[in-house]
Amino acid sequence: EPEVTQTPSHQVTQMGQEVILRCVPISNHLYFYWYRQILGQKVEFLVSFYNNEISEKSEIFDDQFSVERPDGSNFTLKIRSTKLEDSAMYFCASTPSDYSPQGETQYFGPGTRLLVL
Amino acid sequence: DQQVKQNSPSLSVQEGRISILNCDYTNSMFDYFLWYKKYPAEGPTFLISISSIKDKNEDGRFTVFLNKSAKHLSLHIVPSQPGDSAVYFCAASYGKLTFGQGTILTVHP
Repeated sequence: EPEVTQTPSHQVTQMGQEVILRCVPISNHLYFYWYRQILGQKVEFLVSFYNNEISEKSEIFDDQFSVERPDGSNFTLKIRSTKLEDSAMYFCASTPSDYSPQGETQYFGPGTRLLVL
Repeated sequence: DQQVKQNSPSLSVQEGRISILNCDYTNSMFDYFLWYKKYPAEGPTFLISISSIKDKNEDGRFTVFLNKSAKHLSLHIVPSQPGDSAVYFCAASYGKLTFGQGTILTVHP
């Protein structure tokens, strides 16, 4: 069964460093998302991406964040200058198509645990 | 952001009995609702969903009920099994997903 994959599974970085989290969505999916979950808190929406551009972003997704689909398979989240409060589990998700009921089901990757020291 | 709320942080059920997980929402623009199951250190796994035009959707042991007038949905698991023990998140969709806080379900043998 196709699945969303994410690398790395864990990343430790120093405050102020740049990190890139990578995701490979399911191959025929068209909509891509990043979410994060700070320890003990809700899963929060960060950004959605469609047709090579951001379709929606949350207040969390400030200028330190960017997303890119550099090739036909990868979908990346870059944090330019990490802060302590960026420590969280980051989940990538994808969905097959547009606003049909089937298209709304988002499939999640296993996550990348980011720790900023 | 309290648009989706799961008021019970935990639920404990005996194996074979019914588990009922509840979720309330406030935004009437949501048009699709999903339940996800999550194990520690893993991503949410899709379980079952329901469109806002329906009031019930069933898949094996899992049934989701939607009461639009009350802005309430619930997930019924029957019979419950120890392997169902996990964190269950409800999520509401209008494009992006908005998640509830999660309910930890423990099914005792």
